[in-house]
Amino acid sequence: GAVVSQHPSWVICKSGTSVKIECRSLDFQATTMFWYRQFPKQSLMLMATSNEGSKATYEQGVEKDKFLINHASLTLSTLTVTSAHPEDSSFYICSAAGGGNYNEQFFGPGTRLTVL
Amino acid sequence: AQSVTQLDSHVSVSEGTPVLLRCNYSSSYSPSLFWYVQHPNKGLQLLLKYTSAATLVKGINGFEAEFKKSETSFHLTKPSAHMSDAAEYFCVVTPSGTYKYIFGTGTRLKVLA
Repeated sequence: GAVVSQHPSWVICKSGTSVKIECRSLDFQATTMFWYRQFPKQSLMLMATSNEGSKATYEQGVEKDKFLINHASLTLSTLTVTSAHPEDSSFYICSAAGGGNYNEQFFGPGTRLTVL
Repeated sequence: AQSVTQLDSHVSVSEGTPVLLRCNYSSSYSPSLFWYVQHPNKGLQLLLKYTSAATLVKGINGFEAEFKKSETSFHLTKPSAHMSDAAEYFCVVTPSGTYKYIFGTGTRLKVLA
């Protein structure tokens, strides 16, 4: 099956710093990648959808300047949390779609971000 | 508009007894439906998916689900629960021709020894 990796799996940073999370599709070309945020004991909340080579589409209420998404190649998307604050602490999950897999997203293992 | 309703936020079963996690959906077109499992601090693992083929879908770890169009349901079942099944389960619908997922709110399954 299709494999998606995320790096790092967890990160702790100081308030005001920026953090970059990478999402890679390891064995297929991902035309579309998704970034989700998950609060404890809640479902996944879609933050944005990105297509390779074009600007990401953000969901309502998600700050574009705070959560920078880049999808520069068919196997890599990055999420940068800029000027992180404690309220940005969360579990971030990416997923990838494409390669002829009809309607299906393949999920990464997630990144736990803690902002002190 | 498409939506997914997971009817139970928590389900508790004894080990060795059947599991039933309920999911109802609303979709204007022929949807694809998925069940995912999430263990604490982990990503989502696909259990099974329905994509307009057989209505009874068999998945991993003994789980299966039946697509019932007349009832707009896609309930997840397993004949005999195992302790390792304790996790959060998400039902997902995606309209035909799109990758965008619509998530249910999740059902936390607890398995009692």
